[in-house]
Amino acid sequence: EPEVTQTPSHQVTQMGQEVILRCVPISNHLYFYWYRQILGQKVEFLVSFYNNEISEKSEIFDDQFSVERPDGSNFTLKIRSTKLEDSAMYFCASSESEGSYGYTFGSGTRLTVV
Amino acid sequence: GQQVMQIPQYQHVQEGEDFTTYCNSSTTLSNIQWYKQRPGGHPVFLIQLVKSGEVKKQKRLTFQFGEAKKNSSLHITATQTTDVGTYFCAGRYYGQNFVFGPGTRLSVLP
Repeated sequence: EPEVTQTPSHQVTQMGQEVILRCVPISNHLYFYWYRQILGQKVEFLVSFYNNEISEKSEIFDDQFSVERPDGSNFTLKIRSTKLEDSAMYFCASSESEGSYGYTFGSGTRLTVV
Repeated sequence: GQQVMQIPQYQHVQEGEDFTTYCNSSTTLSNIQWYKQRPGGHPVFLIQLVKSGEVKKQKRLTFQFGEAKKNSSLHITATQTTDVGTYFCAGRYYGQNFVFGPGTRLSVLP
């Protein structure tokens, strides 16, 4: 079954450093998303991306965050100047249509800011 | 922003008992999805409901969307230990992306 692949599975970074989280969505999917989940809490929407541009972003997704689709397969989330409160599991998801058949989530990247 | 509420937060059941989790929104949803997340895992899509009053079944799971499209429920009949996990509803408001509820964590005692 097709999968959304995320790398790395765990990233530890110093506060103030920049991190890039990488995702390879399912190849025929057109819509891409980033979510985050602070330990033990709910899944929070960050951003959706379609046709090479952001289609929606949440209040969490401020100027510290950016997304990019640098080539035909990768979808990245960059977090500049990380803060302690950015520590969370970051999930990438993709969907064939605008969510009609559900989102396929990757296994996540656990980001720990120290 | 819009919020989706879920109750209960936790539910412990004996294997074989039924389980229900409820999802509520103060405003009308365009559609709702349900996901399951195993401990340490990622959300896995279960189903989407779109129509008012819609009921869908997947083996022992029954999903319902309220007539006013403001609430939804997931009912599991005769729980098994493999049902353990957190069940999230994700509601979509018209023209917006899905908002996840806080989830209901289900424990099943053998």
